[in-house]
Amino acid sequence: GAGVSQSPRYKVAKRGQDVALRCDPISGHVSLFWYQQALGQGPEFLTYFQNEAQLDKSGLPSDRFFAERPEGSVSTLKIQRTQQEDSAVYLCASSKRRWLAGKESTDTQYFGPGTRLTVL
Amino acid sequence: RKEVEQDPGPFNVPEGATVAFNCTYSNSASQSFFWYRQDCRKEPKLLMSVYSSGNEDGRFTAQLNRASQYISLLIRDSKLSDSATYLCVATVTGGFKTIFGAGTRLFVKA
Repeated sequence: GAGVSQSPRYKVAKRGQDVALRCDPISGHVSLFWYQQALGQGPEFLTYFQNEAQLDKSGLPSDRFFAERPEGSVSTLKIQRTQQEDSAVYLCASSKRRWLAGKESTDTQYFGPGTRLTVL
Repeated sequence: RKEVEQDPGPFNVPEGATVAFNCTYSNSASQSFFWYRQDCRKEPKLLMSVYSSGNEDGRFTAQLNRASQYISLLIRDSKLSDSATYLCVATVTGGFKTIFGAGTRLFVKA
């Protein structure tokens, strides 16, 4: 079946521009995560959705970053007034079940191919 | 100090070798642990979950030591196709945040 898809795959923005990155999770997956991955680093957690509810946005680096998942399926990560330090790969992941805080969860997160954002 | 720390490597090993990676985590409230594999310019993929009792999947063995707050991954009989970056992952009780280490690079040579 279809995996997680993300678009665009590559985005070049001038500093100060707004960008919108799209994630299409696996159909029926309840949980959706956004990560930021800088070169040579592991993914850094940005935010978590359970269906349409954003339950954790503790990783969003500033108020220029905003994410939504209005109908509990497709999600959009928006970055306003982009800065050079925003250059990174933005990864989306989905998992089938609720991500239960405090539980020994073994639910797999399936990642999309990422969007490589370059801010000039 | 990072919440999940790994030796970045690289580890250069010949085919057939056994190689072990360790990972330490700083938050004692960490609850779930995983190893992910990431190929160059690709997305991470789950390699295996790490259970309290330890677990094995073919050539791969994962161990968890809660007292010392470290996780290990052992790869036996290394294959060329094992060349990748291995990411250690922890989740924390009370939140939804998934914390990745920076990864350990492995190169398996013929």
